Amino acid sequence: DIQMTQSPSSLSASVGDRVTITCRASQTISTYLNWYQQKVGKAPKLLIYAASTLQSGVPSRFSGSGSGTDFSLTISSLQPEDFATYYCQQSYRAPITFGQGTRLEIK
Amino acid sequence: QVQLVESGGGVVQPGRSLRLTCAAAGFTLSSNAMHWVRQAPGKGLECVAVISNDGNNIFYADSVKGRFDISRDNSKNTLYLQMNSLRAEDTAVYYCARDLSSDVWSGYMDYWGQGVLVTVSS
Repeated sequence: DIQMTQSPSSLSASVGDRVTITCRASQTISTYLNWYQQKVGKAPKLLIYAASTLQSGVPSRFSGSGSGTDFSLTISSLQPEDFATYYCQQSYRAPITFGQGTRLEIK
Repeated sequence: QVQLVESGGGVVQPGRSLRLTCAAAGFTLSSNAMHWVRQAPGKGLECVAVISNDGNNIFYADSVKGRFDISRDNSKNTLYLQMNSLRAEDTAVYYCARDLSSDVWSGYMDYWGQGVLVTVSS
């Protein structure tokens, strides 16, 4: 199975900050990398797919980049509603696997 | 609008069975591959099973292979997960999720249900 490793595991930031979360795959996955946001008690929400394509309705302050094994999710200016847990996910090869999550907290 | 509603969860003893149902609305189920994803309490996300739009391609996580069975009835716009020989480690919230793909699957899950809790305990 392809292992996905996110860093950091948790992050404290303030409204207005620029934040970057990274994700590394255990083998090359081209750009088959997706990002999800999950708030407490809610289902995950697709933010970005194919490494850099913004899902419809997702604010443009979210962006993704990377290819091969190294990827990143950037939030350009944190808003109060962005505090949540973020997961990367590879869809290059079954089984589809997720990173362990990055919890973004208010400083 | 697209809606996915899971049902069938609850408390079940180890070794017993349970069937989850995911009712789809606002789109034609036969147009998309579908996933079941679970999340143990306080833990991350695990893809349990995926089924292509026509049901001809299926993949299971090793952790459930041989015990779980994913199926779909496109005429009823409904997805199922039959869970047999349940174990304590199957305790989780189970989500159904729609795949963006209209063919086998892409892994891009654009709509999710609200989730249903399955607790395996004696």
